[in-house]
Amino acid sequence: QQQVKQSPQSLIVQKGGISIINCAYENTAFDYFPWYQQFPGKGPALLIAIRPDVSEKKEGRFTISFNKSAKQFSLHIMDSQPGDSATYFCAASKGGYQKVTFGTGTKLQVIP
Amino acid sequence: DGGITQSPKYLFRKEGQNVTLSCEQNLNHDAMYWYRQDPGQGLRLIYYSQIVNDFQKGDIAEGYSVSREKKESFPLTVTSAQKNPTAFYLCASKPRPSGRGTDTQYFGPGTRLTVL
Repeated sequence: QQQVKQSPQSLIVQKGGISIINCAYENTAFDYFPWYQQFPGKGPALLIAIRPDVSEKKEGRFTISFNKSAKQFSLHIMDSQPGDSATYFCAASKGGYQKVTFGTGTKLQVIP
Repeated sequence: DGGITQSPKYLFRKEGQNVTLSCEQNLNHDAMYWYRQDPGQGLRLIYYSQIVNDFQKGDIAEGYSVSREKKESFPLTVTSAQKNPTAFYLCASKPRPSGRGTDTQYFGPGTRLTVL
């Protein structure tokens, strides 16, 4: 019930292409879905987040698509750049001080 | 300059020794968290604390201990009972829920612990 499944485990995209990372959750009580970006040797940093009352949120080249009925959400990185090469984690929580459940991460490599 | 600091950045420990990882935040956040990160396993919650002098076990608390004597500080002790302590340890904090939507956790830079 608390699991968040993330795929793919790794992803190689050419510069300028679209990177897509998918996550699925089971617990319908989750009401906050953030994506974190982590560079090697650093802590994760919030990239973008969405609540289930909207189906899409866009910030610059980053877009979250949310499908409440399918219990799935995805991160799209448009015009991917080598500087986007990092590990991306999806997550879900029930709000307040409730613990956050993280996906297992996707290592993205953008090649020139 | 607000943020979360963790020290040291790298830590080496001999088997059988206890070691304490420091986490300090000056964001005035109520809640603090400790995660362990291993390759391919994402982030796993060790302990968390919502208020001073109170904390709860996470998913993998065995072999770890914490204290929360001050709002700003949440040190983690890795004891000799932890069977496989080599990992990257991340501290995080979260502000008091505002009811306006954000439940973001903010992470520190991490401490890499290696047991020799």
